[in-house]
Amino acid sequence: ETGVTQTPRHLVMGMTNKKSLKCEQHLGHNAMYWYKQSAKKPLELMFVYNFKEQTENNSVPSRFSPECPNSSHLFLHLHTLQPEDSALYLCASSAPGTMNTEAFFGQGTRLTVV
Amino acid sequence: ELKVEQNPLFLSMQEGKNYTIYCNYSTTSDRLYWYRQDPGKSLESLFVLLSNGAVKQEGRLMASLDTKARLSTLHITAAVHDLSATYFCAVLSNFGNEKLTFGTGTRLTIIP
Repeated sequence: ETGVTQTPRHLVMGMTNKKSLKCEQHLGHNAMYWYKQSAKKPLELMFVYNFKEQTENNSVPSRFSPECPNSSHLFLHLHTLQPEDSALYLCASSAPGTMNTEAFFGQGTRLTVV
Repeated sequence: ELKVEQNPLFLSMQEGKNYTIYCNYSTTSDRLYWYRQDPGKSLESLFVLLSNGAVKQEGRLMASLDTKARLSTLHITAAVHDLSATYFCAVLSNFGNEKLTFGTGTRLTIIP
């Protein structure tokens, strides 16, 4: 257990559905990240939030909508996804501005779009 | 834009042998991380390297950092089957508003 919890662990959704992924950490970290890991691509950074403010949007399509209501919670809202969006979505958190900054990852949500 | 490259992408090696994975990055950074990922699992932190010349060792794995060459290495000594996994390096940029950029990963398979 890394202290970063993601739910659900597995999700199957249709292209017209709306769903949300949730990430939670109580490590006192102030930076939270969404990454996408596809079968044949490197780990892709999607969004970064520092102190609840979005500081990075790595050209992610608008069908992915992040939300960070506080430093402990991060959501990824999904709507009208495409089959190529099927992947493992990983959340991570870190403590920015500290010398031993280290990102801890959740277990991931395996998303399948049908 | 920060680019992080690892090589090799795939590595098969026999038990008992030594090998090195390389991680190059394109812009200045003083922090480099190594992670391990088992199939279907999340990423597990292995090492955090904070300064030039840093070397850390854990069991059969040793990581080093040369910030001037923008190069980190992960050395495997006398490999055992349990080390089979995918290994990622990651580089931190924008201290204070962190962004962690990952390499492509090296899929390591240890053959008995």
